[in-house]
Amino acid sequence: SYVLTQPPSVSVAPGQTARITCGGNNIGGKSVHWYQQKPGQAPVLVVYEDSDRPPGIPERFSGSNSGNTATLTIRRVEAGDEADYYCQVWDSSSDHVVFGGGTKLTVL
Amino acid sequence: EVQLVESGGGVVRPGGSLRLSCAASGFTYDDYGMSWVRQVPGKGLEWVSGVNWNGGKTVYADSVKGRFTISRDNAKSSLYLQMNSLRVEDTALYYCSRAVGDGVYVDYWGQGTLVTVSS
Repeated sequence: SYVLTQPPSVSVAPGQTARITCGGNNIGGKSVHWYQQKPGQAPVLVVYEDSDRPPGIPERFSGSNSGNTATLTIRRVEAGDEADYYCQVWDSSSDHVVFGGGTKLTVL
Repeated sequence: EVQLVESGGGVVRPGGSLRLSCAASGFTYDDYGMSWVRQVPGKGLEWVSGVNWNGGKTVYADSVKGRFTISRDNAKSSLYLQMNSLRVEDTALYYCSRAVGDGVYVDYWGQGTLVTVSS
């Protein structure tokens, strides 16, 4: 089955840029989606189809995907961005949705 | 406004059964596939099952295949998850979610219903 690998944690100072990676075999050939989950809340879609943003998501959130790594980039990080972030793909070979293990973003 | 409200969670013994429900509103229900995703408290997200717009196609994670059944009633804008032969490791918060593109990704989530499997 397809596996997505994320770093357990990323730390960044306010105002700086956070980059959260998601690794997978030839992930560049798939569409990658990203979710933000704050404590006690349901996940929220922040990027879909590699780099598109749903309505209401700040332009500070962007995504890219190439080769074996997809990246969620958060510019001008704010305290309110502190959350767990999950990448996700649909594996067409198994017809299964696959989530990465999640990355805890800490704003220092 | 899209709303997904889950119900039916609770405490059940190992080997027991439970049926989760999800009431959807704020969108044309039969325009979308739907999914269940679960999360053990403090752990990551795990996709459980998905169903296409008319119920004609269902898919399951290997961990629940043969034990769980997903279904939907478009007349009632409702989604269900029948869970049989429950195991301790099925303990989790179960989220109902709206799927885009026959389950390619989720654009809306409910608040979840907690299932606890314990003796």
